Amino acid sequence: DGGITQSPKYLFRKEGQNVTLSCEQNLNHDAMYWYRQDPGQGLRLIYYSQIVNDFQKGDIAEGYSVSREKKESFPLTVTSAQKNPTAFYLCASSIVTRGQGNTEAFFGQGTRLTVV
Amino acid sequence: DAKTTQPPSMDCAEGRAANLPCNHSTISGNEYVYWYRQIHSQGPQYIIHGLKNNETNEMASLIITEDRKSSTLILPHATLRDTAVYYCIVRSNTGRRALTFGSGTRLQVQP
Repeated sequence: DGGITQSPKYLFRKEGQNVTLSCEQNLNHDAMYWYRQDPGQGLRLIYYSQIVNDFQKGDIAEGYSVSREKKESFPLTVTSAQKNPTAFYLCASSIVTRGQGNTEAFFGQGTRLTVV
Repeated sequence: DAKTTQPPSMDCAEGRAANLPCNHSTISGNEYVYWYRQIHSQGPQYIIHGLKNNETNEMASLIITEDRKSSTLILPHATLRDTAVYYCIVRSNTGRRALTFGSGTRLQVQP
Protein backbone atom coordinates (compact mmCIF):
# COMPACT_ATOMS: atom_id res chain seq x y z
CA ASP A 1 0.00 0.00 0.00
CA GLY A 2 1.17 3.55 -0.69
CA GLY A 3 1.50 5.74 2.32
CA ILE A 4 3.58 7.46 4.90
CA THR A 5 5.01 5.50 7.82
CA GLN A 6 6.25 6.79 11.13
CA SER A 7 8.01 4.61 13.62
CA PRO A 8 7.88 3.87 16.43
CA LYS A 9 4.39 4.81 17.58
CA TYR A 10 5.53 5.35 21.18
CA LEU A 11 9.03 6.34 22.24
CA PHE A 12 10.52 6.92 25.65
CA ARG A 13 13.85 8.61 26.27
CA LYS A 14 15.78 9.94 29.20
CA GLU A 15 16.31 13.65 29.50
CA GLY A 16 19.51 14.82 27.81
CA GLN A 17 19.53 12.11 25.15
CA ASN A 18 19.13 12.78 21.46
CA VAL A 19 16.45 10.74 19.72
CA THR A 20 15.66 10.26 16.03
CA LEU A 21 12.13 9.79 14.72
CA SER A 22 11.67 7.96 11.45
CA CYS A 23 9.43 9.03 8.56
CA GLU A 24 9.25 7.10 5.28
CA GLN A 25 6.93 7.59 2.31
CA ASN A 26 6.44 5.55 -0.85
CA LEU A 27 4.14 8.06 -2.55
CA ASN A 28 6.95 9.57 -4.65
CA HIS A 29 6.25 12.95 -3.08
CA ASP A 30 8.86 15.68 -3.33
CA ALA A 31 7.86 17.60 -0.19
CA MET A 32 7.98 16.35 3.38
CA TYR A 33 7.14 18.05 6.66
CA TRP A 34 7.50 17.61 10.41
CA TYR A 35 4.96 18.96 12.88
CA ARG A 36 4.70 18.95 16.63
CA GLN A 37 1.40 18.78 18.52
CA ASP A 38 0.93 19.45 22.22
CA PRO A 39 -2.24 18.39 24.10
CA GLY A 40 -5.31 20.38 23.03
CA GLN A 41 -3.31 22.39 20.51
CA GLY A 42 -3.03 22.56 16.75
CA LEU A 43 0.00 21.40 14.79
CA ARG A 44 3.14 23.54 14.63
CA LEU A 45 5.66 23.26 11.82
CA ILE A 46 9.19 22.22 12.79
CA TYR A 47 10.99 21.67 9.47
CA TYR A 48 10.05 21.08 5.86
CA SER A 49 11.80 19.93 2.72
CA GLN A 50 10.65 20.53 -0.85
CA ILE A 51 13.43 18.57 -2.53
CA VAL A 52 16.18 16.10 -1.70
CA ASN A 53 19.23 17.61 0.03
CA ASP A 54 17.36 20.79 0.89
CA PHE A 55 15.24 21.72 3.90
CA GLN A 56 13.95 24.83 5.64
CA LYS A 57 13.21 25.77 9.24
CA GLY A 58 9.58 26.02 10.21
CA ASP A 59 8.13 27.98 13.08
CA ILE A 60 9.66 26.03 15.98
CA ALA A 61 12.95 24.57 14.65
CA GLU A 62 15.09 25.26 17.73
CA GLY A 63 16.34 22.05 19.32
CA TYR A 64 15.55 19.92 16.25
CA SER A 65 17.53 18.80 13.22
CA VAL A 66 16.62 16.97 10.01
CA SER A 67 18.22 15.46 6.93
CA ARG A 68 16.87 14.68 3.48
CA GLU A 69 19.36 12.38 1.79
CA LYS A 70 16.69 10.32 0.02
CA LYS A 71 13.38 11.35 -1.47
CA GLU A 72 11.44 8.81 0.57
CA SER A 73 12.98 9.54 3.98
CA PHE A 74 12.95 12.61 6.27
CA PRO A 75 14.19 11.70 9.78
CA LEU A 76 13.82 14.17 12.64
CA THR A 77 16.31 14.33 15.51
CA VAL A 78 15.13 15.78 18.79
CA THR A 79 18.28 17.04 20.46
CA SER A 80 19.02 17.68 24.12
CA ALA A 81 18.73 21.40 23.33
CA GLN A 82 14.95 21.05 22.92
CA LYS A 83 13.60 22.19 26.29
CA ASN A 84 10.19 20.51 26.18
CA PRO A 85 10.50 17.52 23.85
CA THR A 86 7.54 15.51 25.15
CA ALA A 87 4.89 15.82 22.42
CA PHE A 88 3.11 14.10 19.55
CA TYR A 89 5.17 14.33 16.35
CA LEU A 90 3.57 14.12 12.91
CA CYS A 91 5.22 13.72 9.53
CA ALA A 92 3.53 14.60 6.24
CA SER A 93 4.29 14.59 2.53
CA SER A 94 2.86 16.19 -0.58
CA ILE A 95 3.52 16.72 -4.26
CA VAL A 96 5.16 20.02 -5.16
CA THR A 97 3.16 21.46 -8.03
CA ARG A 98 3.92 24.23 -10.40
CA GLY A 99 1.30 26.67 -11.56
CA GLN A 100 -2.13 27.17 -10.07
CA GLY A 101 -2.82 23.69 -8.84
CA ASN A 102 -2.21 22.45 -5.37
CA THR A 103 -2.40 19.12 -3.64
CA GLU A 104 -3.25 17.83 -0.24
CA ALA A 105 -0.73 16.62 2.31
CA PHE A 106 -0.78 13.04 3.57
CA PHE A 107 0.02 12.49 7.22
CA GLY A 108 1.52 9.60 9.08
CA GLN A 109 -0.02 8.26 12.28
CA GLY A 110 2.46 10.03 14.49
CA THR A 111 5.06 9.22 17.12
CA ARG A 112 4.32 10.02 20.74
CA LEU A 113 7.60 10.94 22.42
CA THR A 114 7.89 10.99 26.19
CA VAL A 115 11.06 12.26 27.82
CA VAL A 116 11.53 11.38 31.47
CA ASP B 1 -0.61 32.83 4.81
CA ALA B 2 -3.91 34.36 5.96
CA LYS B 3 -5.13 33.69 9.49
CA THR B 4 -8.36 31.77 10.04
CA THR B 5 -10.93 31.95 12.83
CA GLN B 6 -13.12 28.98 13.81
CA PRO B 7 -15.46 28.33 16.74
CA PRO B 8 -13.72 26.13 19.32
CA SER B 9 -16.49 23.56 19.49
CA MET B 10 -19.80 22.49 17.95
CA ASP B 11 -22.35 19.74 18.46
CA CYS B 12 -24.38 17.99 15.80
CA ALA B 13 -27.03 15.27 15.94
CA GLU B 14 -26.25 12.04 14.16
CA GLY B 15 -27.79 11.98 10.69
CA ARG B 16 -28.10 15.74 10.47
CA ALA B 17 -25.92 18.07 8.44
CA ALA B 18 -22.92 19.55 10.22
CA ASN B 19 -22.04 23.08 9.07
CA LEU B 20 -18.62 24.24 10.21
CA PRO B 21 -17.84 27.92 9.63
CA CYS B 22 -14.47 29.52 9.03
CA ASN B 23 -13.55 33.17 8.76
CA HIS B 24 -10.52 34.17 6.65
CA SER B 25 -11.12 37.86 6.04
CA THR B 26 -7.48 38.60 5.08
CA ILE B 27 -7.28 35.94 2.38
CA SER B 28 -5.47 37.01 -0.78
CA GLY B 29 -6.18 36.12 -4.38
CA ASN B 30 -3.75 33.21 -4.71
CA GLU B 31 -4.65 31.51 -1.44
CA TYR B 32 -6.65 28.31 -1.29
CA VAL B 33 -8.96 27.22 1.52
CA TYR B 34 -8.20 23.71 2.84
CA TRP B 35 -10.08 21.60 5.35
CA TYR B 36 -8.54 18.77 7.34
CA ARG B 37 -9.80 16.78 10.27
CA GLN B 38 -8.02 14.95 13.05
CA ILE B 39 -9.59 12.09 14.92
CA HIS B 40 -8.15 11.67 18.38
CA SER B 41 -4.46 10.66 18.44
CA GLN B 42 -4.28 10.14 14.68
CA GLY B 43 -2.69 12.10 11.85
CA PRO B 44 -4.83 14.76 10.15
CA GLN B 45 -6.88 13.67 7.16
CA TYR B 46 -7.49 15.80 4.09
CA ILE B 47 -11.17 16.57 3.40
CA ILE B 48 -11.47 19.14 0.63
CA HIS B 49 -10.04 22.37 -0.74
CA GLY B 50 -11.10 25.21 -3.02
CA LEU B 51 -10.12 28.57 -4.42
CA LYS B 52 -13.33 30.46 -5.13
CA ASN B 53 -15.90 28.02 -6.48
CA ASN B 54 -17.93 25.71 -4.28
CA GLU B 55 -16.54 22.20 -4.19
CA THR B 56 -18.04 18.80 -3.39
CA ASN B 57 -16.53 15.36 -2.98
CA GLU B 58 -17.56 12.10 -1.39
CA MET B 59 -16.78 13.38 2.11
CA ALA B 60 -18.10 16.94 2.19
CA SER B 61 -19.03 20.16 0.46
CA LEU B 62 -17.16 23.43 0.69
CA ILE B 63 -19.06 26.68 0.28
CA ILE B 64 -16.91 29.80 -0.19
CA THR B 65 -18.56 33.22 -0.07
CA GLU B 66 -18.31 35.45 -3.11
CA ASP B 67 -15.87 37.82 -1.38
CA ARG B 68 -13.87 34.76 -0.21
CA LYS B 69 -13.71 36.10 3.34
CA SER B 70 -15.42 33.09 4.85
CA SER B 71 -16.31 29.50 4.07
CA THR B 72 -18.42 26.66 5.41
CA LEU B 73 -17.62 22.97 5.44
CA ILE B 74 -20.75 20.84 5.21
CA LEU B 75 -20.89 17.19 6.26
CA PRO B 76 -24.30 16.27 4.81
CA HIS B 77 -25.20 13.37 7.11
CA ALA B 78 -22.96 13.35 10.16
CA THR B 79 -22.13 10.03 11.81
CA LEU B 80 -20.47 9.26 15.14
CA ARG B 81 -17.23 8.60 13.21
CA ASP B 82 -17.20 12.25 12.12
CA THR B 83 -16.43 13.32 15.69
CA ALA B 84 -13.05 15.03 15.33
CA VAL B 85 -11.22 18.36 15.31
CA TYR B 86 -11.73 20.16 12.00
CA TYR B 87 -9.09 22.56 10.76
CA CYS B 88 -9.68 25.32 8.23
CA ILE B 89 -6.39 26.39 6.63
CA VAL B 90 -5.55 29.03 4.07
CA ARG B 91 -2.49 28.35 1.98
CA SER B 92 -0.79 30.11 -0.90
CA ASN B 93 0.18 28.14 -3.99
CA THR B 94 3.57 29.86 -3.99
CA GLY B 95 6.31 30.23 -1.43
CA ARG B 96 6.18 28.12 1.70
CA ARG B 97 3.65 25.43 1.00
CA ALA B 98 3.46 23.92 4.44
CA LEU B 99 0.05 24.00 6.08
CA THR B 100 -0.32 26.33 9.07
CA PHE B 101 -2.76 24.88 11.60
CA GLY B 102 -4.85 26.85 14.06
CA SER B 103 -6.79 25.37 16.97
CA GLY B 104 -9.67 24.11 14.82
CA THR B 105 -13.27 23.26 15.75
CA ARG B 106 -13.98 20.23 17.89
CA LEU B 107 -17.12 18.64 16.40
CA GLN B 108 -19.01 16.27 18.65
CA VAL B 109 -21.64 14.18 16.87
CA GLN B 110 -24.33 13.13 19.33
CA PRO B 111 -26.32 9.87 18.98
